[in-house]
Amino acid sequence: EAGVTQSPTHLIKTRGQQATLRCSPISGHTSVYWYQQALGLGLQFLLWYDEGEERNRGNFPPRFSGRQFPNYSSELNVNALELEDSALYLCASSFWKTGGMETQYFGPGTRLLVL
Amino acid sequence: AQTVTQSQPEMSVQEAETVTLSCTYDTSESDYYLFWYKQPPSRQMILVIRQEAYKQQNATENRFSVNFQKAAKSFSLKISDSQLGDAAMYFCAYRSAFKNNAGNMLTFGGGTRLMVKP
Repeated sequence: EAGVTQSPTHLIKTRGQQATLRCSPISGHTSVYWYQQALGLGLQFLLWYDEGEERNRGNFPPRFSGRQFPNYSSELNVNALELEDSALYLCASSFWKTGGMETQYFGPGTRLLVL
Repeated sequence: AQTVTQSQPEMSVQEAETVTLSCTYDTSESDYYLFWYKQPPSRQMILVIRQEAYKQQNATENRFSVNFQKAAKSFSLKISDSQLGDAAMYFCAYRSAFKNNAGNMLTFGGGTRLMVKP
């Protein structure tokens, strides 16, 4: 079974540009989570999509946005890039089953560098 | 809001020996899940072990086991017979047990870097 995939693996942008990161969940998973892992700041929750809807977002400005497509893949967009947006962006997917323990499985991440 | 604390930024263990990584958390919820994830230099987060708060029995996965103390809000990870491949960052994480819009994300501790000496 294929795991969570993310593209691109690396992305280099300049300040003010826009970045688009993509995530394909494990087959059968309907929830996608995005986390940011910036140096010195640890892992922080960004966004949660479930069944095509945004369910929750972390303490990030509106220029961080995304969507989930009908096939449950997801896209994270970061507008007006700032230097501090440089980080590893991790996507995780999961499937909620009544009475079951929902576990998030992570992709390999996209490393974004803003110059 | 829930918080997760890993008080050991770095730990070192000799190959084949046992090491315990500490994790404490703070929550007012009665039902939740706890996880240990491993992040090797490749940066991919790998699930090591998970525990459901309402289960008294400590989870075990091969060489990995946990010591879950619910009253003390402690969730330590024991790695037995340490191998060179165990060298990585280890993150403890908390998640609410209920599917709701407020708190289904993982809350992570700051991580512990484990070094394994040959």
